[in-house]
Amino acid sequence: QSVLTQPPSVSAAPGQKVTISCSGSSSNIGNNYVSWYQQFPGTAPRLLICENNKRPSGIPDRFSGSKSDTSATLGITGLQTGDEAYYYCATWDRSRGAHLFGTGTTVTVL
Amino acid sequence: EEQLVESGGGLLQPGRSLRLSCTASGFNFADSIMHWVRQVPGKGLEWVSGISWNGDNVYYGDSAKGRFTISRDNARNSLYLQMDSLRTEDTALYYCTKEAYFGGNWFDPWGQGTLVTVSS
Repeated sequence: QSVLTQPPSVSAAPGQKVTISCSGSSSNIGNNYVSWYQQFPGTAPRLLICENNKRPSGIPDRFSGSKSDTSATLGITGLQTGDEAYYYCATWDRSRGAHLFGTGTTVTVL
Repeated sequence: EEQLVESGGGLLQPGRSLRLSCTASGFNFADSIMHWVRQVPGKGLEWVSGISWNGDNVYYGDSAKGRFTISRDNARNSLYLQMDSLRTEDTALYYCTKEAYFGGNWFDPWGQGTLVTVSS
């Protein structure tokens, strides 16, 4: 059971915005970089956001990341049907000495 | 293009052993921190193990400690995961991935995964 908690699902109409939260603690999010991944069924995860808020080359600026205290947030603006996927946050936990992934969130475009 | 290709998965009985392999290309493998991440079908991602560029430092998640061993061969651009005393709950798709740098906490690229099924 992951200690990084995400909402199971979020949804919005095309063109709208969704945000996905990732809640942790001072031993993980509070003191380490957070990354975000997108995963379509049957495919490998894809890096969306690194170092809390940086987009790798090729990731549209519709995707954004932020972090505050022990929580992180992924934002998706201008929602498209192609954004329907699973999204995971990830970070290091110094107490556990382990990398952690969030519980995962399904994005649905209504 | 950076690429990772896993192999070695299969169907086996509980208690048996299996070694997974991951071959890298398109980047300097010998300078890279590498990891294994697994995913039970229909479930979320779980970090399994990581290894420093020279193999001197290895890290394991709770589910892997005492049963799995991560290793690498930089001359062959290859990463390995030796899995012993396998359990039904180890059934998952196992991904190989690269960490950008120590402390960066981000993984890219990812391989396509190799499926391990443990069943009697």
